[in-house]
Amino acid sequence: GAGVSQSPSNKVTEKGKDVELRCDPISGHTALYWYRQRLGQGLEFLIYFQGNSAPDKSGLPSDRFSAERTGESVSTLTIQRTQQEDSAVYLCASSLLGGSTDTQYFGPGTRLTVL
Amino acid sequence: AQKITQTQPGMFVQEKEAVTLDCTYDTSDQSYGLFWYKQPSSGEMIFLIYQGSYDEQNATEGRYSLNFQKARKSANLVISASQLGDSAMYFCAMREGWSSYKLIFGSGTRLLVRP
Repeated sequence: GAGVSQSPSNKVTEKGKDVELRCDPISGHTALYWYRQRLGQGLEFLIYFQGNSAPDKSGLPSDRFSAERTGESVSTLTIQRTQQEDSAVYLCASSLLGGSTDTQYFGPGTRLTVL
Repeated sequence: AQKITQTQPGMFVQEKEAVTLDCTYDTSDQSYGLFWYKQPSSGEMIFLIYQGSYDEQNATEGRYSLNFQKARKSANLVISASQLGDSAMYFCAMREGWSSYKLIFGSGTRLLVRP
């Protein structure tokens, strides 16, 4: 079946503008994750959704970052008043159940450039 | 302290030879999972292999095997019979605890396969 998809693939914005990044998880996957990858670095966890449970937002770097997910479908990561330090690749992943042995499958990412 | 350490920023290997990518981890949990992902230049994170902390056998998936040495807290990835398409970034990641879902990533190793 189809994998995780993300849009847009690239986003260039001006400092201070708001951006929305979209993630479509694998159908049937109840868990969804957002990560950030700065240039030349590993991934940093941002937020986790599992079914109808309250999301784990512990990785969000500031209150300019927020995310929503409707049921077990699409998720949107919103960054308000973007800063140059927000430039990174934002990766979304989904997994079947969200458990400790669950494998996370990643989308191709959105490359965000803040000028 | 770093939770996941990958000490090799870059590696070269000759096509058809085997290569070992190092990964050490730090956790006080008894239950944890270790993952390896491949990230080609396209940016997508591709799941390669998983090892649970209670698994007695080393994990294998095709040409990939995980050399798990629990006492040393190491989880090295071995790629046998390297192919040109193996050239990519490789990330080691850990999930701590039975209820955890966050992946903690290392900084990655860039592998270049020479023809």
